[in-house]
Amino acid sequence: ETGVTQTPRHLVMGMTNKKSLKCEQHLGHNAMYWYKQSAKKPLELMFVYSLEERVENNSVPSRFSPECPNSSHLFLHLHTLQPEDSALYLCASSQTGFEAFFGQGTRLTVV
Amino acid sequence: GEDVEQSLFLSVREGDSSVINCTYTDSSSTYLYWYKQEPGAGLQLLTYIFSNMDMKQDQRLTVLLNKKDKHLSLRIADTQTGDSAIYFCAERFTGFQKLVFGTGTRLLVSP
Repeated sequence: ETGVTQTPRHLVMGMTNKKSLKCEQHLGHNAMYWYKQSAKKPLELMFVYSLEERVENNSVPSRFSPECPNSSHLFLHLHTLQPEDSALYLCASSQTGFEAFFGQGTRLTVV
Repeated sequence: GEDVEQSLFLSVREGDSSVINCTYTDSSSTYLYWYKQEPGAGLQLLTYIFSNMDMKQDQRLTVLLNKKDKHLSLRIADTQTGDSAIYFCAERFTGFQKLVFGTGTRLLVSP
């Protein structure tokens, strides 16, 4: 148990669906991250939020929309995804300048 | 660029030492990390080294840092079958809440 919880653990969605991934941290950290892990690119940084403001967006398609309503919660809203978006989505949190703690991930399958 | 490179695969026998190598890009990185990922799980922090250190030992783990060559290594002594996993090195970019990961090395330990 790392203190970072992701739900759901598994998600299957159609290309026309809208779904959201949720991440919650109980560590008092001030930064949260979304990473995508797939066979083609092992670990890609998607978004970084620091003090609830987005500070990094690595050219992620607009069909992925992050939301950070407070320092403990991070969402990734998904709509009109493609099969190539199937991957493990990992959330992490950290305190400024220190190591990141990861959740267990959400295994997403787009059909 | 921001590529952090690792060899993809390493196979050792139980009881041997394992050495996993990593080359990174930002010479001003403050911290460098090693993470472990077991099947179906998120990333677990194993150890880290501050950039002004050359070596850090933590039980069976030894981290060596060569700043001149931007080379980081992780040595696991007396490798066990439970050490079989994917190992990621990561660098924290100076001034950013950004943690960039290597491509990952899959370690297979055979009895």
